[in-house]
Amino acid sequence: EDQVTQSPEALRLQEGESSSLNCSYTVSGLRGLFWYRQDPGKGPEFLFTLYSAGEEKEKERLKATLTKKESFLHITAPKPEDSATYLCAVPVRNTDKLIFGTGTRLQVFP
Amino acid sequence: ETGVTQSPTHLIKTRGQQVTLRCSSQSGHNTVSWYQQALGQGPQFIFQYYREEENGRGNFPPRFSGLQFPNYSSELNVNALELDDSALYLCASSLGYTQGGEQYFGPGTRLTVT
Repeated sequence: EDQVTQSPEALRLQEGESSSLNCSYTVSGLRGLFWYRQDPGKGPEFLFTLYSAGEEKEKERLKATLTKKESFLHITAPKPEDSATYLCAVPVRNTDKLIFGTGTRLQVFP
Repeated sequence: ETGVTQSPTHLIKTRGQQVTLRCSSQSGHNTVSWYQQALGQGPQFIFQYYREEENGRGNFPPRFSGLQFPNYSSELNVNALELDDSALYLCASSLGYTQGGEQYFGPGTRLTVT
């Protein structure tokens, strides 16, 4: 069964304290892995798409990487405005149906 | 470029009633997907429309139905509302998976069923 698991569920960081979020997946024929950021009560905001193992994408303090079994979202020197829930998702084979993980709720304190 | 918009922002309904939620897709996108997000959970796929045809459905009962119009905007209809239908309903537009599959979400409609 296609599945996406994210860890940790919640992460509290001091401003400037770098860390990583994990997304592990089991899906047949991966056609991309998507990372989103979601602020409370709002829709997910697209961050990155990764298509193949070894691929990396960067945006400001965020860097996403992909292996054959999992993806990491590295946050370097986070700021309080990086506080949000980070979701990863993969499409089910031959469809556009996205399967989401439950997300990692990140809180960054000054 | 206009992003995905949804209306209304918030809605309160009584159990047994019917509701219609609306979505305008991002300019140039021909595919609209609907998701339900319960508190503390990831979005769950309801169904998708591609060029006015349903193109995939998740594990939701038939009382969840939808439409897509020639301008690619879309509606989600839910009949016989139940308390468990209370959630954030998200609409996402894309060019379809043959074009990369990236889906861009609207701000959502918060539905409360009492």
